[in-house]
Amino acid sequence: EAQVTQNPRYLITVTGKKLTVTCSQNMNHEYMSWYRQDPGLGLRQIYYSMNVEVTDKGDVPEGYKVSRKEKRNFPLILESPSPNQTSLYFCASSEGFNNQPQHFGDGTRLSIL
Amino acid sequence: AQSVTQPDIHITVSEGASLELRCNYSYGATPYLFWYVQSPGQGLQLLLKYFSGDTLVQGIKGFEAEFKRSQSSFNLRKPSVHWSDAAEYFCVAKEYGNKLVFGAGTILRVKS
Repeated sequence: EAQVTQNPRYLITVTGKKLTVTCSQNMNHEYMSWYRQDPGLGLRQIYYSMNVEVTDKGDVPEGYKVSRKEKRNFPLILESPSPNQTSLYFCASSEGFNNQPQHFGDGTRLSIL
Repeated sequence: AQSVTQPDIHITVSEGASLELRCNYSYGATPYLFWYVQSPGQGLQLLLKYFSGDTLVQGIKGFEAEFKRSQSSFNLRKPSVHWSDAAEYFCVAKEYGNKLVFGAGTILRVKS
C-alpha cells in the first residue's frame, strides 16, 4: 500500500530539547516536503526536497532543519524547540514537482511547553 | 503575490442538501488547482485536480469542481451531502515550477 509514514503521531516535550520527526515514503517519490498547519492559516511549507541531497527552504523554515540522505526518508529536526513551534506537522511526497498531487502522511501533533 | 482564498471559514449544511465551497486564486497565469479533504486526525486526501481541458472536473466521493477563468474561481460542489463529508476542505494552487499554495481551509459541518 502506498504510504507516507510519520513518527511520532503525538509528542509533548519541553523548550530546548532536540527532537526529530521521521517521515518515510514507499512510493519511490523524488519530491518530499514538510508543512505545518495552524488554525486559520492552512498549510505552510517548511522545507522541501527535490531529490536526494537536494533540500531548500519553504515559507517558514526558521527553527527547523531537514536532511535527505536517502530517497525514502525526509526527517524534520527541531534543534531547540520553542513554544511557537507547537503545531500539526505533515510530511508529503510526490512523483515529481510540478503537476503531480502530493500524498500526505497522517500528521504529527507537537506540543512544546 | 500568489494566493488562494477560501472566503468561508465554516459552513453548515443539512444532510442531503447540496454543497458549494468557494475558492478564488490570484495568479498571473492559470495554476494547477486541487481540492483536498482532511478528516479529523487524518492527513490530507486528494479529492480532485484541474490541469487543463474540461472545466468541470469530477473527483472521488461524488465531488466535482468547476474552473472559471473569468472569475479566477475553482468552487467545489456536491449535490447531496452525507454526514461522513464533515471535514476540513482545502483549495490548493500550484504554478509550474513553484510550490503549492494552500487556502486557509473551510470546515464543513453536517447536521442531521
